[in-house]
Amino acid sequence: EVHLVESGGGLVQPGGSLRLSCEASGFTFSTYAMSWVRQAPGKGLEWVSGISNTDGSTYYADSVKGRFTISRDNSKNTLSLQMNSLRAEDTALYFCAKTGYYSDYLDSWGQGTLVTVSS
Amino acid sequence: DIVMTQSPDSLAVSLGERATLNCKSSQSVLYSSNNKNYLAWYQQKPGQSPKLLIYWASTRESGVPDRFSGSGSETEFTLTISSLQAEDVAVYYCQQYYNTPFNFGPGTTVDIK
Repeated sequence: EVHLVESGGGLVQPGGSLRLSCEASGFTFSTYAMSWVRQAPGKGLEWVSGISNTDGSTYYADSVKGRFTISRDNSKNTLSLQMNSLRAEDTALYFCAKTGYYSDYLDSWGQGTLVTVSS
Repeated sequence: DIVMTQSPDSLAVSLGERATLNCKSSQSVLYSSNNKNYLAWYQQKPGQSPKLLIYWASTRESGVPDRFSGSGSETEFTLTISSLQAEDVAVYYCQQYYNTPFNFGPGTTVDIK
C-alpha cells in the first residue's frame, strides 16, 4: 500500500524559508514522477511543482517559480520542497502526490502539512 | 498555460438521482499521437485528501464505484454520478496533465437535496 507522509510545515514569517519533506513507501519511488499540490484554507487545489523520475526535470507554477525548489532523493525515498521568500499567499496545506503508472495524473496523496506565513 | 473552468460551482441532488458536473479547458488536452485526453477527476471529502476517480477523461481508477463515469474530449468534459449516494458529498476537481502547469479547475461542490 502506498504511503506518503509529509512533514516540515509550521509558522514562518514573511520572507522566511521552510523545507518540506515527503517520505514515500509501498512503491518503487524512483520509478514515479512526483508532485506538490497546495490548498489554501477554504480554497481549491493548486498544483505547485513536479519532478520527473527519469531525468530529474523540474516544473513549477508561475506563482512559486524562482522561490521554490523541488528535489528528490531516490536512495531515501524522499521528496522535498525548499520554499524561500515566503509570502502570506503561500499559506496552505501542502500535499505530496504520486503520479500514475501511465502519466502525470495523481493517484496517491499524503495527508498534507500546513504552512502558515504570518508575522 | 491551460485554464480549467468548472460548472456549476455547486449542485444539490436528491439521493439516487443523477449528478452532472462539467469541466472545460482553455485549449485541447487531446494528444493526437495516442488519442488520449489528459484529463483527470478527483474527489475531496471534507477534511480529507483528494482521491483520484478518473484519468484519461474516462478511465475509472481501481476501486472507484461504477456509478462514477467520465466523458468528453478535447476541451469539454463531464463527470457523471449516476445515482448519488450520501457518501458522494464532496468537492470534485478536474485537472489537466497535458502540459505544465498541471492546473486544476476551481471545483464543484456536490451536496444532498
